[in-house]
Amino acid sequence: QQQVKQSPQSLIVQKGGISIINCAYENTAFDYFPWYQQFPGKGPALLIAIRPDVSEKKEGRFTISFNKSAKQFSLHIMDSQPGDSATYFCAALSGGYNKLIFGAGTRLAVHP
Amino acid sequence: DVKVTQSSRYLVKRTGEKVFLECVQDMDHENMFWYRQDPGLGLRLIYFSYDVKMKEKGDIPEGYSVSREKKERFSLILESASTNQTSMYLCASSLSLDYGYTFGSGTRLTVV
Repeated sequence: QQQVKQSPQSLIVQKGGISIINCAYENTAFDYFPWYQQFPGKGPALLIAIRPDVSEKKEGRFTISFNKSAKQFSLHIMDSQPGDSATYFCAALSGGYNKLIFGAGTRLAVHP
Repeated sequence: DVKVTQSSRYLVKRTGEKVFLECVQDMDHENMFWYRQDPGLGLRLIYFSYDVKMKEKGDIPEGYSVSREKKERFSLILESASTNQTSMYLCASSLSLDYGYTFGSGTRLTVV
């Protein structure tokens, strides 16, 4: 019930392409869905987040798409750059549980 | 910017040793968290704290304890280190549980 399932585990994209990472959840009490970006040797950093009252949120080249009925959300990285190469984690928060539940992570490599 | 500082980047300890991992945040955040990060498993919550001297178990508390004597400091304790506790440990803090966490850079612990 508290799991967040993330796919794919790894992703290779050519420079300029679109990177897409998907997450699914079961618990309908989740009400906040952030994405974190982690570079080697660093802790995860908040990238973008969405609440279930909207279906899409865009910040620069990064977009979250949210499908409440399917209980799925995804991160799209437009015009992917080598500097986007990192591990990406989706997460979900329920106020009732008071903690973030993370997906397993996606290692993205953007090739020049 | 909030800064979360973990005292050690790398630690090597022997099986059976008592290990202390220290974390300090500088922005007066109420909430602090300890996660461990393992490949393919994402980030798993060990313990968290809403306030001084307050703690709650996360998803994998076995073999760990915590201490929060001051608001800015949250310590993770491995009472008797074992090889299966070899991992990356990440500390995080947040102003509100509704918002993103700020992570430290992590401590990579190896138990031999």
